[in-house]
Amino acid sequence: GDSVTQMEGPVTLSEEAFLTINCTYTATGYPSLFWYVQYPGEGLQLLLKATKADDKGSNKGFEATYRKETTSFHLEKGSVQVSDSAVYFCALSDLGAQKLVFGQGTRLTINP
Amino acid sequence: NAGVMQNPRHLVRRRGQEARLRCSPVKGHSHVYWYRQLPEEGLKFMVYLQKENIIDESGMPKERFSAEFPKEGPSILRIQQVVRGDSAAYFCASSPASSSRSYEQYFGPGTRLTVT
Repeated sequence: GDSVTQMEGPVTLSEEAFLTINCTYTATGYPSLFWYVQYPGEGLQLLLKATKADDKGSNKGFEATYRKETTSFHLEKGSVQVSDSAVYFCALSDLGAQKLVFGQGTRLTINP
Repeated sequence: NAGVMQNPRHLVRRRGQEARLRCSPVKGHSHVYWYRQLPEEGLKFMVYLQKENIIDESGMPKERFSAEFPKEGPSILRIQQVVRGDSAAYFCASSPASSSRSYEQYFGPGTRLTVT
C-alpha cells in the first residue's frame, strides 16, 4: 500500500539556520503531496502542496518540490524562526482516494 | 470563521466504558474524515463519511468502533468497551464537496482519549 517515510526527529536548530526535513513516498498511482504543520495544542494546518511532478509548493518561506524520479518531497526553509517550532507531517493522497497517508511527523525546535 | 470543532478536547475513560467523540465540520463542508494518532506515530486514516453515508471505513477496527455523520448535527466516532490500546489523539477533518479541492482537508484540534 501507499506509505510515507519522514526524517526522524526531533530536530533542533538555531534561529536563522537552514532547514531540511526529508520525505520519501511509495504510491501505486500518481499522488498529490502535502506538508502539514501542527503547532502545540492545535490541529494540523496545510502548509503547502504539489499535485504533479516538478511542481514546487511554497508558503511562509517553506518550499518543497515534487520529485517523481526520487519519489521525494523534502521540506526546506532558508532561515528558520523560533515561531516555526512545531511538528511537521508529510502526506500523500492518491488520485481517486480521499484519504491522506501520513508520515510519522518530525518535531522541530528552534532556539533563539 | 469557525474551523473544524471537536469536543471534548480531552476525555478520560475507564476500561470497558464507552467513548463518544464529536466533530463539527467547517460550515458548508459535507465530507468528514477521522484519523487516529497513536503516541509517537503519524496519523492513520480511520473512516471517511459524507452526510448519512460511510464512504470508506477501511481503516476502522472491525469491532467496537463505529462512526456516523447524520443529516443534522455533528459527526460522532464511538468506541465501545474501550481498552488501554485505544488511548490516542483522534483528529477529525472536513473538506468541501468540490472534487477538485476534496483533498484539501481542514483539521480540528483533536480529542485526546486516555483509557485508565
